Amino acid sequence: QQQVKQSPQSLIVQKGGISIINCAYENTAFDYFPWYQQFPGKGPALLIAIRPDVSEKKEGRFTISFNKSAKQFSLHIMDSQPGDSATYFCAASITPNTGNQFYFGTGTSLTVIP
Amino acid sequence: EPEVTQTPSHQVTQMGQEVILRCVPISNHLYFYWYRQILGQKVEFLVSFYNNEISEKSEIFDDQFSVERPDGSNFTLKIRSTKLEDSAMYFCASSFARGTGELFFGEGSRLTVL
Repeated sequence: QQQVKQSPQSLIVQKGGISIINCAYENTAFDYFPWYQQFPGKGPALLIAIRPDVSEKKEGRFTISFNKSAKQFSLHIMDSQPGDSATYFCAASITPNTGNQFYFGTGTSLTVIP
Repeated sequence: EPEVTQTPSHQVTQMGQEVILRCVPISNHLYFYWYRQILGQKVEFLVSFYNNEISEKSEIFDDQFSVERPDGSNFTLKIRSTKLEDSAMYFCASSFARGTGELFFGEGSRLTVL
């Protein structure tokens, strides 16, 4: 059973446009939802994260929107730049926990065209 | 900035051979993880480790796999008898405390089984 479903698989956006990546989860016990950014040849790096007590979190050009009733959350990248071209993974976990497992989505390959 | 370091960056091995992947987590971190990513697919949890024992493991982490923290700094993943399907990028990660959620990933070790 896939705990976290992510779409789209790939996304091409013009420079300056808005990139939107969506995720849906199954387990209502999840209470921490991070987004990771991965450049080729590198490990995933935490970009932004949200907990279900808020519906939106913004950090610079990156915003997470969270819909608890629909069990969905999304990443919005405003004013997308070529340097944002990377693979983005959503994830979910249950906290607190010793060695909490993160369930990752399948990833979205974002290409921002200059 | 502290980082998780992994060696080797790439290892090629014959099917049936033993492989050890090494990681040095961030020094004050307490929780250690191994994830893997088959080319183009999602990041999959293998195992988490805390207080010198396995906290959680996935179905992927069968008897062919083992983890160890032999000297207080290194964290190793051993694959006893490699199979073709073990070919993947293996990521080590660490986190400081229970429930913070932020995993710091290494750059990965690419394992190719021939």
